[in-house]
Amino acid sequence: QQQLQESGPGLVKPLETLSLKCAVSGGSLSSDSYFWGWIRQPPGKGLEWIGSISYHGSAYYSPSLKSRVSISVDTSKSHFSLQLSSVTAADTAVYFCVRHAGFTMIVLDDNWFDPWGQGILVTVSS
Amino acid sequence: QSVLAQPPSVSGAPGQRVTISCSGGSSNIGAGYDVHWYQQLPGTAPKLLIYANNNRPSGVPDRFSGSKSGTSASLAITGLQAEDEADYYCQSYDSSLGASYVFGTGTKVTVL
Repeated sequence: QQQLQESGPGLVKPLETLSLKCAVSGGSLSSDSYFWGWIRQPPGKGLEWIGSISYHGSAYYSPSLKSRVSISVDTSKSHFSLQLSSVTAADTAVYFCVRHAGFTMIVLDDNWFDPWGQGILVTVSS
Repeated sequence: QSVLAQPPSVSGAPGQRVTISCSGGSSNIGAGYDVHWYQQLPGTAPKLLIYANNNRPSGVPDRFSGSKSGTSASLAITGLQAEDEADYYCQSYDSSLGASYVFGTGTKVTVL
């Protein structure tokens, strides 16, 4: 059973770049069966998909965040990373890393998210 | 910016059946995209409960079931138990405005 664990600073200043890492254990990140993604949840609110990446490095992002997001993967270290630039208080949230799968992974529109990391709270404040 | 609407809360007594609706539109559920459901216990990460409309991952009790019709989907919990008190989210794919995965607004289930 693969496990995911987020790490990074819990406090980021406004207009700076948020950087998080997700370590994957219990199995290889290098699989054509999965993509790897980030989802966030502002305190007391719902879930928002941020973006995802394959182990080949093919990434796609939420249209609403695309201009500020970058996701990368390091298969040698079995982790993938999130960078979100020019953050504001609205980016304060618990950030989860996830694995997602579908029936074929040829098209990704049927994908679900499982498992999830435990999440890391990132607060944007000066 | 949730595009899938869920009731904010539902409640039931132990042993009862409750249902949670997930209402979408022509660019997501109505376009034929699958619906998945997650359970989020207080202070924890969401957990996959139902995938591809009506499939349960290993370990999920058969008290949980999903269905989909038209532009909506539903999650049913039969034989409600105290441990089912949690937030529940539906998720699908939306092909409008650049395409992305979308979540429901979330429903709090309270066991009376």
